Amino acid sequence: GQQVMQIPQYQHVQEGEDFTTYCNSSTTLSNIQWYKQRPGGHPVFLIQLVKSGEVKKQKRLTFQFGEAKKNSSLHITATQTTDVGTYFCAGPRSGAGSYQLTFGKGTKLSVIP
Amino acid sequence: GAVVSQHPSWVICKSGTSVKIECRSLDFQATTMFWYRQFPKQSLMLMATSNEGSKATYEQGVEKDKFLINHASLTLSTLTVTSAHPEDSSFYICSARDEGLGRGTYEQYFGPGTRLTVT
Repeated sequence: GQQVMQIPQYQHVQEGEDFTTYCNSSTTLSNIQWYKQRPGGHPVFLIQLVKSGEVKKQKRLTFQFGEAKKNSSLHITATQTTDVGTYFCAGPRSGAGSYQLTFGKGTKLSVIP
Repeated sequence: GAVVSQHPSWVICKSGTSVKIECRSLDFQATTMFWYRQFPKQSLMLMATSNEGSKATYEQGVEKDKFLINHASLTLSTLTVTSAHPEDSSFYICSARDEGLGRGTYEQYFGPGTRLTVT
């Protein structure tokens, strides 16, 4: 079945350092989404990427969708303590018409002040 | 923005009893809602897809008779954990998709989750 893999599983950075998490799908995706879950909270939608090679920015966050639409990345510039949380990528389940998503296992980001 | 509420936020129940969890989309209509289970430090595991006015679709390995889902309106889905056991203790999260955003939009809005502890 479809698999969505994320690396790294954990990342500890010093405040001010950059951070990148990578997402790879076993199948081509029509789109990919990113969510953030703060400790003790629930996932919050960040962005959806649709086009091959698409790059979108949200302040210090840069999201990229690969040319083959099978991989994606999230890069955070100059991390802050508010960036702490787990970042999940998710892609539509193959063949499903009900908008089901397959989530990666997430990358947990810790920021050392 | 789209808001999804979930009630209760936490519940403790005795083994053998049933617990109902409500998921509501507050400012949008959701034909489809999703129920996830999340174990500590793990990802979201889809349990079932809740469809308004029809039967829910359960994932492989999820017992439909144990996890009863009802989606009676465009803004409310309920998950009932029947005859709960300690191994059912977990964080249950619902999500909903805003129909008004169009066919190409897959984003899901998550409720705050329900922490279930079965003693």
